[in-house]
Amino acid sequence: EVQLLESGGGLVQPGGSLRLSCAASGFTFSSYAMSWVRQAPGKGLEWVSAISGSGGSTYYADSVKGRFTISRDNSKNTLYLQMNSLRAEDTAVYYCAKDKGGSGVGAGAFDIWGQGTMVTVSS
Amino acid sequence: DIQMTQSPSSLSASVGDRVTITCQASQDISNYLNWYQQKPGKAPKLLIYDASNLETGVPSRFSGSGSGTDFTFTISSLQPEDIATYYCQQYDNLFTFGQGTRLEIK
Repeated sequence: EVQLLESGGGLVQPGGSLRLSCAASGFTFSSYAMSWVRQAPGKGLEWVSAISGSGGSTYYADSVKGRFTISRDNSKNTLYLQMNSLRAEDTAVYYCAKDKGGSGVGAGAFDIWGQGTMVTVSS
Repeated sequence: DIQMTQSPSSLSASVGDRVTITCQASQDISNYLNWYQQKPGKAPKLLIYDASNLETGVPSRFSGSGSGTDFTFTISSLQPEDIATYYCQQYDNLFTFGQGTRLEIK
C-alpha cells in the first residue's frame, strides 16, 4: 500500500526550531518529487516547499524562504522539513504529498498525502 | 505569482443536484489545474488532474473542464458523502491553491 506518515510536530516557542519527517512506503521514493503543504486552523491549503526526486532541486514559498529547509534521504525513503525561526503564523497542520508526475517538481498533481502533523508556535 | 480565484466560497445544495464550482487563474496555465476534496479532519484527496482527467477510483459523477484561465468542477448528482471543501490547484508555476469552496447539504 502506498503510504506517507508524518511525524515531528508539536508545540514550540516563537523563534524556535522543529524538524518534520515523512516516511514513505509502497512506491519507489526516489522516482518522485515531494512537497510539504500546510493548513492553518480553519484556513485553506498553502503549498510550502518542494524537492525533486534526486534532491538536487528545491523550491519554497516566499512565506518560508530562508527559514525552512526541505531535504530527503532516498536511502531511508524519508522526506524532511527543517523549520527555523518559527512564528505564530506557521501554526498549522503540515502534510507531505507525493507528486503524481514523476521526479521533477511541478510535473503533476499531489496524488498521495500523509495524515498530517500539527505544529503549534506559541509562548 | 499565479493567483487562483475560486467561487463560490460556500455552497448549499440538495442531494441529487448538479453542483458547479469555478476557478480562475490570474494568467494562462494551460491545463495545469487539479481539483481536490477535503473532508473535516482528513487530508486532501485528488479527484481531477490536468483539468479534466478523473483520478483512478474516483466516482464518475465528478468531472472537470477548462483550459487557459477558466476552469469548472462539476458534481453531476450530489451525494451525501460529497459534503466537503473543494480546492483547485495550479502547477504551471510551482503551486497555488484556490481559497476553497465549502459544500453543504441543503
